[in-house]
Amino acid sequence: DAKTTQPPSMDCAEGRAANLPCNHSTISGNEYVYWYRQIHSQGPQYIIHGLKNNETNEMASLIITEDRKSSTLILPHATLRDTAVYYCIVSLAFNDYKLSFGAGTTVTVRA
Amino acid sequence: EAGVTQFPSHSVIEKGQTVTLRCDPISGHDNLYWYRRVMGKEIKFLLHFVKESKQDESGMPNNRFLAERTGGTYSTLKVQPAELEDSGVYFCASSQDFASLLKDTQYFGPGTRLTVL
Repeated sequence: DAKTTQPPSMDCAEGRAANLPCNHSTISGNEYVYWYRQIHSQGPQYIIHGLKNNETNEMASLIITEDRKSSTLILPHATLRDTAVYYCIVSLAFNDYKLSFGAGTTVTVRA
Repeated sequence: EAGVTQFPSHSVIEKGQTVTLRCDPISGHDNLYWYRRVMGKEIKFLLHFVKESKQDESGMPNNRFLAERTGGTYSTLKVQPAELEDSGVYFCASSQDFASLLKDTQYFGPGTRLTVL
């Protein structure tokens, strides 16, 4: 029942922006896009979420296309500590508490 | 503010034995969730508590798994008897409530790695 599609892996140079794509072509009007990441041997960590407007916080920016069928997570200045598996999850903010983690994108930041 | 804590961090038991995992959510969080990742698979939802009540246990694999949250604070997940296929990492998460978009973010603990031999 995967609702999102992400590339399995990507590399990024330290200090450069990392742009992580996610396709969610079947997203419904009241579903949000959430991004979590899992650094090795840690629990998943919330990054950001949005509905239709672009969002930015201290960790990342989230760009959602106008038709909402895809989005991009941007890590503005990737560091080695950003190496992790990144998960794009589509979920209702209310009454849909189950997070469905897919395979995610394994991001490797290289010095 | 302390995050979600889980105990133990690792557990190695033999098939047929019993193991109890504990999760302490962030103070004040009414919602508590259990997830697990078995070897080679994706992270899957197990169940959800609202305070001491089980809201949804649809992800529990079978009746060898029993979750409790007495008093609406910490939660335990007991596996009895453990089988080989139960090996994996068990994550606990908590969130404040559904009343505010900003408050339903789930915060995860570091997980308990369970190995059944």
